[in-house]
Amino acid sequence: DAGVTQSPTHLIKTRGQQVTLRCSPKSGHDTVSWYQQALGQGPQFIFQYYEEEERQRGNFPDRFSGHQFPNYSSELNVNALLLGDSALYLCASSLAVKSITGELFFGEGSRLTVL
Amino acid sequence: KNQVEQSPQSLIILEGKNCTLQCNYTVSPFSNLRWYKQDTGRGPVSLTIMTFSENTKSNGRYTATLDADTKQSSLHITASQLSDSASYICVVRGGTSYGKLTFGQGTILTVHP
Repeated sequence: DAGVTQSPTHLIKTRGQQVTLRCSPKSGHDTVSWYQQALGQGPQFIFQYYEEEERQRGNFPDRFSGHQFPNYSSELNVNALLLGDSALYLCASSLAVKSITGELFFGEGSRLTVL
Repeated sequence: KNQVEQSPQSLIILEGKNCTLQCNYTVSPFSNLRWYKQDTGRGPVSLTIMTFSENTKSNGRYTATLDADTKQSSLHITASQLSDSASYICVVRGGTSYGKLTFGQGTILTVHP
């Protein structure tokens, strides 16, 4: 049973460019959440997708957008990259019916460096 | 404002010793509290989940405690091993619909031989 998989694992972009990160949730999970983790900090919630809709959103600008596909996989898009967007981007999957006490499984993350 | 504060920020111990990490939170209403272990450059892995009614939960050498009255939790690691070197993150889920998760900044534990 594959866990949460993310791609790419590492990437380097320059300021102003756009990036797309991808996530496949754990088998059987229907909810995907995205987090940004700066070096030495805890993860910061970006948004959550369920039934192909954005259900919750953290304090991130509209440059951060996402999508969830019918197979529950998800993409995170960041436009007009800034140096401060350099971080580890984590995807986490869960089951909506167990949203309160259910386990949250994280992927290994995508390390984005903006030059 | 919902916050999760962890202490110490970092900790160095010798292999075989015990240690305790602290977590204080102001999240309200409260649903549950989770401890995660995160190896450098990897995704967090769950250690324990504790609900309001639980005050102690163990997972091998890891024992978490929760005092919902004082809004404090601790993670005790017994007989530390080199592989315990990691960041330990306390996460609190709010009790509202879809319960937002609030993450602490983590405690970086280094175990030396």
